[in-house]
Amino acid sequence: GDSVTQMEGPVTLSEEAFLTINCTYTATGYPSLFWYVQYPGEGLQLLLKATKADDKGSNKGFEATYRKETTSFHLEKGSVQVSDSAVYFCALTSLDTGRRALTFGSGTRLQVQP
Amino acid sequence: EAGVAQSPRYKIIEKRQSVAFWCNPISGHATLYWYQQILGQGPKLLIQFQNNGVVDDSQLPKDRFSAERLKGVDSTLKIQPAKLEDSAVYLCASSFSLARDIQYFGAGTRLSVL
Repeated sequence: GDSVTQMEGPVTLSEEAFLTINCTYTATGYPSLFWYVQYPGEGLQLLLKATKADDKGSNKGFEATYRKETTSFHLEKGSVQVSDSAVYFCALTSLDTGRRALTFGSGTRLQVQP
Repeated sequence: EAGVAQSPRYKIIEKRQSVAFWCNPISGHATLYWYQQILGQGPKLLIQFQNNGVVDDSQLPKDRFSAERLKGVDSTLKIQPAKLEDSAVYLCASSFSLARDIQYFGAGTRLSVL
């Protein structure tokens, strides 16, 4: 079945450091890929998405590129802020299932120190 | 636009008791999902509705869990009887339709089974 693997956290960075959170996936066909973020005490929010190979999703300075050849969707940000501290989830939906439920990775906690 | 509403936010019960969670999706959203998020893991689908019909309940432990969406709007998820391993956050999400990928999440209900 479909699966998503993320790098384990926590990831601890200083403010203005470069961020990469690795995400790889296994799925049939051509899934849509997502990054969701969960701030403390809040629900999951969509951060960015990509629906086909070589698409780049971007939002709030975060970027991720859909790489079909490496089945990856790594999240990057050039300069993190304390306010970016949260748990980040990589996820996919598989068009082949037709059911559209999200398959999530286990999440990566990011802690940004001032 | 109001988001996905869930209640209660927190619930503590003893094992073998019953509990119910309520979800009100975003107005006009036909597709509704219930996910279970165990501490340290990504959310996992329990059940998916399209209007008032079930699309996927393959991961729902039907001996103890039940869910309904009678009028195609609000939904209720019930556990009876609860087990210790049911301690988790129960997330409700909605999307406009099966064809629209973006799911919007509620803040969740945190269940502790003692």
